Amino acid sequence: NAGVTQTPKFRVLKTGQSMTLLCAQDMNHEYMYWYRQDPGMGLRLIHYSVGEGTTAKGEVPDGYNVSRLKKQNFLLGLESAAPSQTSVYFCATRGTSDTDTQYFGPGTRLTVL
Amino acid sequence: GQNIDQPTEMTATEGAIVQINCTYQTSGFNGLFWYQQHAGEAPTFLSYNVLDGLEEKGRFSSFLSRSKGYSYLLLKELQMKDSASYLCAVVDSNYQLIWGAGTKLIIKP
Repeated sequence: NAGVTQTPKFRVLKTGQSMTLLCAQDMNHEYMYWYRQDPGMGLRLIHYSVGEGTTAKGEVPDGYNVSRLKKQNFLLGLESAAPSQTSVYFCATRGTSDTDTQYFGPGTRLTVL
Repeated sequence: GQNIDQPTEMTATEGAIVQINCTYQTSGFNGLFWYQQHAGEAPTFLSYNVLDGLEEKGRFSSFLSRSKGYSYLLLKELQMKDSASYLCAVVDSNYQLIWGAGTKLIIKP
């Protein structure tokens, strides 16, 4: 089992370009999350999903969109990238208990010039 | 507002014991997680506390005091591979995780 995978691992964008980050899981988990991690700050929740076809905003949703068309995939889109979106992006999944452990993907390091 | 405080960085010696503290002020409390994150890697689960007291798991132990809004992670018999960041995260009233900024632990020979 691959667990939680993310593509791509690295990406450099120019301001105004768009891109999609893909998170895939084979753990059959309902809940999926997108976080960003910046130096000196805790992980911040961007968007999350509690099941196929559902999405919800987290703490820092502006500038991002998400889709969960299939249970195993959670996509994060940047429509018009800005330098402030330079960060490491982590996807995480968990089971249906609210206190289940979250399992993280390896991360995507994004630089916006 | 919600706030989780951890020391930014700590240094310890191989073979020694180190305690990493975490204090929190959150809207509700439904448990506290500790995660380990090696540089350039994803966070991985270490422990979960929801009741007061000490949970021991091998070389690692985690303590919780809900009345004080306080937890610590205790690492014994430190090894060089324990050099990593340690993240404290609280499950709030909406069952979302609120993360601390993490404590970078440096182990010296």
